[in-house]
Amino acid sequence: AQSVTQLDSHVSVSEGTPVLLRCNYSSSYSPSLFWYVQHPNKGLQLLLKYTSAATLVKGINGFEAEFKKSETSFHLTKPSAHMSDAAEYFCVLLNQAGTALIFGKGTTLSVSS
Amino acid sequence: EAGVAQSPRYKIIEKRQSVAFWCNPISGHATLYWYQQILGQGPKLLIQFQNNGVVDDSQLPKDRFSAERLKGVDSTLKIQPAKLEDSAVYLCASSTRQTEQYFGPGTRLTVT
Repeated sequence: AQSVTQLDSHVSVSEGTPVLLRCNYSSSYSPSLFWYVQHPNKGLQLLLKYTSAATLVKGINGFEAEFKKSETSFHLTKPSAHMSDAAEYFCVLLNQAGTALIFGKGTTLSVSS
Repeated sequence: EAGVAQSPRYKIIEKRQSVAFWCNPISGHATLYWYQQILGQGPKLLIQFQNNGVVDDSQLPKDRFSAERLKGVDSTLKIQPAKLEDSAVYLCASSTRQTEQYFGPGTRLTVT
């Protein structure tokens, strides 16, 4: 079975502190994994992607994610949160056929001043 | 470049009525996707087009949902008749390669 589990439905941080959004995946094949961000009333935007190259992937806006096969994880991190980072974040797995994206349920990130 | 355009942005209908959503993908993008995002969940693929042909519609409830992509550009998604559980945001995305999808702002449908 192929699936994605986001371990936290809601994460709250203070501005300037680190961000950690957790994601585990399940697949019987070498996965392609992504993180998307969704701001209110805006379309989903690709943050970063892993496609079997370097295990540490750098994305836009200072975000990065590390692929750990042994832990079947693909956690998203950022050293210092900004107010504009408040949004919904989705961990996404490409299906084995390469035809569809499988989304997790999302993590809402709140950033307080 | 212009992004993926969708209209309308919001729609409220009564159950058993019909509704249609329109999507204009990024110019030159051969692949077009329709997703359904129910509140509190991640988007779920309904149908994928490659040019004007259907690649995957396994998750599309074909008894009430239909979609077309005439001439391989714009696409329309229709629901007839609508049910309460169809209340969701309908997202359109397009791509040139399987792994680079660009999403529109979505249409928020409320069925009362």
